[in-house]
Amino acid sequence: DSGVTQTPKHLITATGQRVTLRCSPRSGDLSVYWYQQSLDQGLQFLIQYYNGEERAKGNILERFSAQQFPDLHSELNLSSLELGDSALYFCASSASSNGQETQYFGPGTRLLVL
Amino acid sequence: GENVEQHPSTLSVQEGDSAVIKCTYSDSASNYFPWYKQELGKGPQLIIDIRSNVGEKKDQRIAVTLNKTAKHFSLHITETQPEDSAVYFCAASHGAGKSTFGDGTTLTVKP
Repeated sequence: DSGVTQTPKHLITATGQRVTLRCSPRSGDLSVYWYQQSLDQGLQFLIQYYNGEERAKGNILERFSAQQFPDLHSELNLSSLELGDSALYFCASSASSNGQETQYFGPGTRLLVL
Repeated sequence: GENVEQHPSTLSVQEGDSAVIKCTYSDSASNYFPWYKQELGKGPQLIIDIRSNVGEKKDQRIAVTLNKTAKHFSLHITETQPEDSAVYFCAASHGAGKSTFGDGTTLTVKP
């Protein structure tokens, strides 16, 4: 158990809908990272927050947004969903912001868009 | 941007044999190289990492080597066991938490 929690575990929705994925980092970690894992694309870095502020951005679509709250939990919002958004979404956390240390991954949320 | 290539995509070995997975990266500014193991239905878990000021690091049966000049790094697993079967990912970090991952290697260890 990494100490990172993600909810929900599974999500099934329809095209055009909007969903919110939630992540709670390990106790004491200030950084939260979001990744998308598709069958054909491996792990893709989406975005990083550090202590409430956006720190780094990867290949995150404009339809996707994220935020980190004062209690350090984070939410990833996916809107106008398309079939291609079906994937595993992982959250990871670390203590600092520089990415030069262990990232602890949560169990993931499996999103299926029908 | 950074590009990480990982080979092979699948690897099958007999229990007790060694396994080697190789990654190359493109951005010479990358300076942190973690390796993750992902078991079925779980999130990736760090197994070993190396920084650019180190050429080799070992932790029991696992070792990682880094050649900065050639921009490649490798994971070595000795005396493989069936529980080593998983998907392994390499990654290159180039600051501010932005990591680029390889496409993964599915390792199967046959008893």
